[in-house]
Amino acid sequence: GAVVSQHPSWVICKSGTSVKIECRSLDFQATTMFWYRQFPKQSLMLMATSNEGSKATYEQGVEKDKFLINHASLTLSTLTVTSAHPEDSSFYICSAGGPIGTEAFFGQGTRLTVV
Amino acid sequence: DAKTTQPPSMDCAEGRAANLPCNHSTISGNEYVYWYRQIHSQGPQYIIHGLKNNETNEMASLIITEDRKSSTLILPHATLRDTAVYYCIVSVSGSRLTFGEGTQLTVNP
Repeated sequence: GAVVSQHPSWVICKSGTSVKIECRSLDFQATTMFWYRQFPKQSLMLMATSNEGSKATYEQGVEKDKFLINHASLTLSTLTVTSAHPEDSSFYICSAGGPIGTEAFFGQGTRLTVV
Repeated sequence: DAKTTQPPSMDCAEGRAANLPCNHSTISGNEYVYWYRQIHSQGPQYIIHGLKNNETNEMASLIITEDRKSSTLILPHATLRDTAVYYCIVSVSGSRLTFGEGTQLTVNP
């Protein structure tokens, strides 16, 4: 199946700094990618839809100025957590899907720890 | 997307079939039933999906009731590596997914 790769797999940053997470579709073009967040012992929560060449669509309650999403090419979407705080520590996961009725492919996730 | 209901946890003996139920009584005619699983600290892994008919692949079988209000994922010969959280998701697109709490399947030796 298709491969989606995230980088880095884990990152530790100081409070107040910004962190960028990359999500790449390695063998297909993805006009739309999705970003999820998962806190310990909880399910995945959709944060935003990343649209190639246009603005991202954020889910209710997700701060667009804090979680900056850029989808500049058909194979790369980035999520930047700005001015990170300890409560932003979480597991961030991206995905990309194909046509309607097909499956989504997920990255391996990025563990962010803000200290 | 329609909501799904799954038991929070299930146990299965290694080598036996694992049957994971999912209720999706409000499913619409154009919504697919998807199953993913997540092993601890990894991204979700696609298992199988279907619209109306039963489906089978190298990983599992998906049985969808005739009224489409429920389904069962069958892992025919569970192994220890199948221990994971299994998510049943109903979606039109298959890409923008709403995850519920899933079922924690524990395969015991």
